[in-house]
Amino acid sequence: KNEVEQSPQNLTAQEGEFITINCSYSVGISALHWLQQHPGGGIVSLFMLSSGKKKHGRLIATINIQEKHSSLHITASHPRDSAVYICAVPYGGSQGNLIFGKGTKLSVKP
Amino acid sequence: KAGVTQTPRYLIKTRGQQVTLSCSPISGHRSVSWYQQTPGQGLQFLFEYFSETQRNKGNFPGRFSGRQFSNSRSEMNVSTLELGDSALYLCASSPGDSGVNEKLFFGSGTQLSVL
Repeated sequence: KNEVEQSPQNLTAQEGEFITINCSYSVGISALHWLQQHPGGGIVSLFMLSSGKKKHGRLIATINIQEKHSSLHITASHPRDSAVYICAVPYGGSQGNLIFGKGTKLSVKP
Repeated sequence: KAGVTQTPRYLIKTRGQQVTLSCSPISGHRSVSWYQQTPGQGLQFLFEYFSETQRNKGNFPGRFSGRQFSNSRSEMNVSTLELGDSALYLCASSPGDSGVNEKLFFGSGTQLSVL
């Protein structure tokens, strides 16, 4: 069983739709990262959260520490949101030692 | 502020050779971490350096090594390359002094192809 599991693996949406990507983890953590990777490889950190909810523009991330579950929501999706979204949890007490989910490939059609 | 810079962007090597990749962190960041990304295994943690000391190491063979210099720039080296080492190698930096609650800043990666 993977320690960090994401669902769905692939997601196709129409422009304007509300999108939810889920991440469940089995390792004990105090923070969780949501990352975005566009074709070409570069990774951008979207959120780092340890409790509650964070919002940045059309993106919202929530985490439930007791249930070991986090969600990433995209409101009013746009084709430029097409990317792979990856959740990652710190392991071993330092910020760089991360266990990654397999990623969710999102394609938003105009 | 300049972002995280990785060089080279692309690299082609043959089996048995060795390779050195470089990562320059954001100015003021003292923590640098390295990751390997392959289609089969996804992203995996290689190692993390803080103030020239290796703080953590992932589950990779001893052919994978790294170091960090006094200016926080980091290099990773892979010796005796194997076909399976073909991957995108990413580094990320962070200030390094706030425990696990720090945002990471990633470089664009080095795409290594082993023939």
